[in-house]
Amino acid sequence: DTEVTQTPKHLVMGMTNKKSLKCEQHMGHRAMYWYKQKAKKPPELMFVYSYEKLSINESVPSRFSPECPNSSLLNLHLHALQPEDSALYLCASSHWTSGGNNEQFFGPGTRLTVL
Amino acid sequence: AQSVTQLGSHVSVSEGALVLLRCNYSSSVPPYLFWYVQYPNQGLQLLLKYTSAATLVKGINGFEAEFKKSETSFHLTKPSAHMSDAAEYFCAVSDQGSARQLTFGSGTQLTVLP
Repeated sequence: DTEVTQTPKHLVMGMTNKKSLKCEQHMGHRAMYWYKQKAKKPPELMFVYSYEKLSINESVPSRFSPECPNSSLLNLHLHALQPEDSALYLCASSHWTSGGNNEQFFGPGTRLTVL
Repeated sequence: AQSVTQLGSHVSVSEGALVLLRCNYSSSVPPYLFWYVQYPNQGLQLLLKYTSAATLVKGINGFEAEFKKSETSFHLTKPSAHMSDAAEYFCAVSDQGSARQLTFGSGTQLTVLP
């Protein structure tokens, strides 16, 4: 299985809502990533988990809260978002080995709209 | 710190023509380089990667790229464009250190004209 799955595919939420994005992989990868992508732009790294521990937080606002319950699952909890947070949220996974040959496998993304 | 520059945010080619998408990198250490493709409303799919094993790298869907250290380039080519190649293409670099992060270029939108 070389697939990263993400749910939901689309999400519309108000600024006072609480919602969660889910990502799952079964490739035995020990690194998982959240990216935010605006239209016509490259993905921007938000968080990196390695061995279920948060290793990188790219100064993301606290209204985004990541969670890695186990090596196959990655969640992104959303609360009190702003309209400018509307974007495609991509999850990726990779091996966590020394060196840079850590090919990242991307999920299809969740299209988030904040009203 | 490493970076990549993609020359040309939009490239248009006729169906059957050569595709050439340009990527130049900057890295203080030998880099790992990647090309990803993104179709509308989808995630990124790896086309090919350079990991120092061979300078000419063949990928999926007939794409290939050549690593040229002297030119710090990793251009993506395909001999004959197909309508299905229309998409956004991202070049990315990863260093060999502990960062394990990808640094993406700004992307090139490829349009294939009938």
